[in-house]
Order: sequence, then structure tokens, then C-alpha cells
Amino acid sequence: DIQMTQSPSSLSASVGDRVTITCRAGQSISSYLNWYQQKPGKAPKLLIYAASTLRGGVPSRFSGSGSGTDFTLTISSLQPEDFATYYCQQTYSTPLFGPGTKVDIK
Amino acid sequence: EVQLVESGGGLVQPGRSLRLSCAASGFTFDDYAMHWVRQAPGKGLEWVSGITSNSDSTGYADSVKGRFTISRDNAKSSLHLQMNSLRAEDTALYYCTKEFNYGDFRSFDYWGQGTRVTVSA
Repeated sequence: DIQMTQSPSSLSASVGDRVTITCRAGQSISSYLNWYQQKPGKAPKLLIYAASTLRGGVPSRFSGSGSGTDFTLTISSLQPEDFATYYCQQTYSTPLFGPGTKVDIK
Repeated sequence: EVQLVESGGGLVQPGRSLRLSCAASGFTFDDYAMHWVRQAPGKGLEWVSGITSNSDSTGYADSVKGRFTISRDNAKSSLHLQMNSLRAEDTALYYCTKEFNYGDFRSFDYWGQGTRVTVSA
């Protein structure tokens, strides 16, 4: 099975900060990597698919990059509504989510 | 507007069974694969099971294989998860999700609000 890790597991940031979250796969998954945002008490929302394609309606401050084993989600200027937990997901094989990165207010 | 509404959750004793359902609307249900994803209290997301649009293929997480069965009724735009031999570790919020395909790339673009399953004596 392909293992997924995320770092950091949590971070504290301020509004306006640039935030980068890393996701690493245990083997190459090409670009079969998605990013989701989940707020407390809510269902997850798809942000980015195929590693770097922004879903329609998602603000352009979100971006994704990477291929193979190493991927990043970047929020260029953190907004109050962005405080949430972010999960990566590989769909190269049986779908698997990373453990999540919680972004909270500094 | 795409809507996914789960039902069937509840409190159940270990070893018993439960059947979850998901009513879908706002899209052509039989064009898309569907999945169940769960989230234990305070924990991350875990893919549970998926089924292709015409039910010709299903998949399961190792943690539920042999105990859970996914099915769908395209005529009724509904998705189901039959859960047998339930264990305490199956306690979670269960989400119904719709698959989105971009070429070969899969993702889950719509999610229900979840139905809670608690397995406890």
C-alpha cells in the first residue's frame, strides 16, 4: 500500500501569511494527488485535483504543485476563512488520505 | 444543485449490522462512481469503499473487507453500505461522496453531511 505523510501536522499563522503544506507519497504517484479543506463540523471540500488544477470556484490564492512523491499546497495570503484542516489524497491506487494539517490562528 | 443525503446511522452493539443509504440528486447518478469515506471522532479521513457507475467493480479498505458491502440502485439514485460484524473501531461519521473524473485523474468533488455510526455495548 502507498503511504501518505503530511508536514507539518499543524501550524499557526496570521492573516496575510504565505502558508505551505507538504504531502509525500511512499512511492511515485505521478500527479494523482488531490487536496481537500475541512472546517470543524463540516464535510471536506475539494480544492485542487491532479496535483495542480484548481477546482472551479476555489480562490486563486490556493495553488498546488509537485509530481512523483513530493507535493505542496500553498496559500499565498491566508484569509480568516482558510483556518481549517487540509488533507492530501492519492488516487493512483486505492484512494488514501494523508493524516491532515491543521492551520490555526497565531 | 448536487445533493447527497446520508441516512441509516445510529447506535449499534458490537457484532450487529447496519445499512447506510445515500440519496443523490442534482446530477446524472448513473454516470459517476461513488464512494464512502469515514471519519472517526477527532481523527482524519479514511476511504472505506467505492463502486463504479454500473456496479461492475467495487473496492474496499482492508479494515472493512469481508464485513462491508457497497451497492447502488441507479434507478433510485441511491448508494448503500451494508455493514456487518461491526466493531468499536467502526465508530465514525460516514460520508457519501461523488467521484469526479478529469481524464485518468479521480477526486471526490461532492460530499454529503454524513451519518454517524456508533458501535458500543
